[in-house]
Amino acid sequence: SQQGEEDPQALSIQEGENATMNCSYKTSINNLQWYRQNSGRGLVHLILIRSNEREKHSGRLRVTLDTSKKSSSLLITASRAADTASYFCATDDTGGFKTIFGAGTRLFVKA
Amino acid sequence: GAVVSQHPSRVICKSGTSVKIECRSLDFQATTMFWYRQFPKQSLMLMATSNEGSKATYEQGVEKDKFLINHASLTLSTLTVTSAHPEDSSFYICSAKGSGRAWEQFFGPGTRLTVL
Repeated sequence: SQQGEEDPQALSIQEGENATMNCSYKTSINNLQWYRQNSGRGLVHLILIRSNEREKHSGRLRVTLDTSKKSSSLLITASRAADTASYFCATDDTGGFKTIFGAGTRLFVKA
Repeated sequence: GAVVSQHPSRVICKSGTSVKIECRSLDFQATTMFWYRQFPKQSLMLMATSNEGSKATYEQGVEKDKFLINHASLTLSTLTVTSAHPEDSSFYICSAKGSGRAWEQFFGPGTRLTVL
């Protein structure tokens, strides 16, 4: 079962612009992760934010988490054509046993 | 990071045949492995969780007799799609967790199954 929804479903921007993707989830979590998937490929882990953290940075990525709203956002700054991919948020259930994925956002960065 | 492989990467089969997909952790022992399926332009849907040496736990709506999962060793799990039909055509992805950080799992590159 899917944990939540992502918004937008698809996003098309110009190279150099920032891309913001949002994710909402339904249940209590231990942490939230963001993954990237190139078309027809496996997933690459981007960043993890714990339930007691509000913001985290990694290179051009900035992730926020609002547990009161059960939502997270992923910001990619100064986007590049190579950032074109699908981005998924994922949450671990409170047992920490399995990971449930959001619906994903398909990002297309035009050169 | 740790490496997980899948084999085959792509398979085409006739309706009614069975297909086995292997998932291997190459440089760590995978205490838990997960199988997901992904339809085009959709998210990953968890199918089942398997622990080495025990029966897999299937998600609601996943037919255990249709999707046979075996986790015979700490480095290998297999998913067999029995009597495959065109609606089973999908992208199947495995992931593995070791004994390290609880949240950390490593994904295989996926297997594209096409049933004619």
